[in-house]
Amino acid sequence: QKEVEQNSGPLSVPEGAIASLNCTYSDRGSQSFFWYRQYSGKSPELIMFIYSNGDKEDGRFTAQLNKASQYVSLLIRDSQPSDSATYLCAGYSGYSTLTFGKGTMLLVSP
Amino acid sequence: DTGVSQDPRHKITKRGQNVTFRCDPISEHNRLYWYRQTLGQGPEFLTYFQNEAQLEKSRLLSDRFSAERPKGSFSTLEIQRTEQGDSAMYLCASSLASAVGNTIYFGEGSWLTVV
Repeated sequence: QKEVEQNSGPLSVPEGAIASLNCTYSDRGSQSFFWYRQYSGKSPELIMFIYSNGDKEDGRFTAQLNKASQYVSLLIRDSQPSDSATYLCAGYSGYSTLTFGKGTMLLVSP
Repeated sequence: DTGVSQDPRHKITKRGQNVTFRCDPISEHNRLYWYRQTLGQGPEFLTYFQNEAQLEKSRLLSDRFSAERPKGSFSTLEIQRTEQGDSAMYLCASSLASAVGNTIYFGEGSWLTVV
């Protein structure tokens, strides 16, 4: 069974720090990966996706993909209290459906 | 730019009743997905359509669940003879299959409470 694993957290960081969120996946055929942010009681909203090995930056967010290690991460620079949410990692495995992890809760304290 | 729209946003129903949710995808998107999410879990895939064809169904989609997308536009998800275990947020999402990454965009979700 194809799985995406995340530490449920919470991950606590002070305001202004770098938050590092990690994700591993079991299917070596997985090709592209997505990070979504989900506030409590709301639906997931897309942050960014990555499909090439290496880093991809978008504003304060950097996604990193290492296919050899089957590892995906999301770095949030200059973390703000408004970044406090659950971060969902998801991957395509060559099929047409995204498989999600359970999410990591991030808490940014002022 | 209109996003994915879901209706109703909240539904409380008695066990054994039938419920139906509607989803209107982003207009140019040809794929439509249904996911279910319970507390502390990530979204779990239920089924997806490309245009009007239902191309994949999860094992989670029991015989009590049925989804349709009759004209390749909006979709409905019906749950018959609801059970308390059906209580969850039902998420609809859509995507453009030809777009880079085939990114899916979620609606605001429909909360179901079975009492």
